[in-house]
Amino acid sequence: DGGITQSPKYLFRKEGQNVTLSCEQNLNHDAMYWYRQDPGQGLRLIYYSQIVNDFQKGDIAEGYSVSREKKESFPLTVTSAQKNPTAFYLCASRWADRGMGAGAGELFFGEGSRLTVL
Amino acid sequence: QKEVEQDPGPLSVPEGAIVSLNCTYSNSAFQYFMWYRQYSRKGPELLMYTYSSGNKEDGRFTAQVDKSSKYISLFIRDSQPSDSATYLCAMSAVAGTASKLTFGTGTRLQVTL
Repeated sequence: DGGITQSPKYLFRKEGQNVTLSCEQNLNHDAMYWYRQDPGQGLRLIYYSQIVNDFQKGDIAEGYSVSREKKESFPLTVTSAQKNPTAFYLCASRWADRGMGAGAGELFFGEGSRLTVL
Repeated sequence: QKEVEQDPGPLSVPEGAIVSLNCTYSNSAFQYFMWYRQYSRKGPELLMYTYSSGNKEDGRFTAQVDKSSKYISLFIRDSQPSDSATYLCAMSAVAGTASKLTFGTGTRLQVTL
């Protein structure tokens, strides 16, 4: 079954600790994305990557870091510099970042990871 | 003021009702419009996609775009309990570029028996 796998589903962190959220896809998609979802706010883009070994900051990149060493994998590290890290984090992928319709395809989301800072 | 406004709900309707979900926006450059459905503790999934103005129908779902009023709607006919979810609108100005999508906050819908 093709899809996006995020792990862990639930994660608790003490203040001052870095944590890494995993995102793996077997859809052969080039573009991958990390979003943050908070109550009363729309999905906000943290980072995205259009190709291996390249990524760009989204709207709220401060306090986060990513890597894209393999096409299938796009892990997100929430660092201690992120002031308000408690949130639901969603990973997504797509054939290409630009374009609509069959060429780029829809945005597929994983099931999310809920991070709580204690 | 947010670029995209969406009533958070919750909206509670009886089974079989017609549901209207709406988003307003302020950026007149938006021309690609999407509706996503998100079940509790899951990721969103694409329901409908429209380009520019007009209507698009898919089964019980109809997406409507009124660019002159900067208003988009999703209608659900014969609503079912399985339609209970949060519905997110999303829109883009840049040739459908995913990294330029702006999402609404979502409207929570509850369809009761």
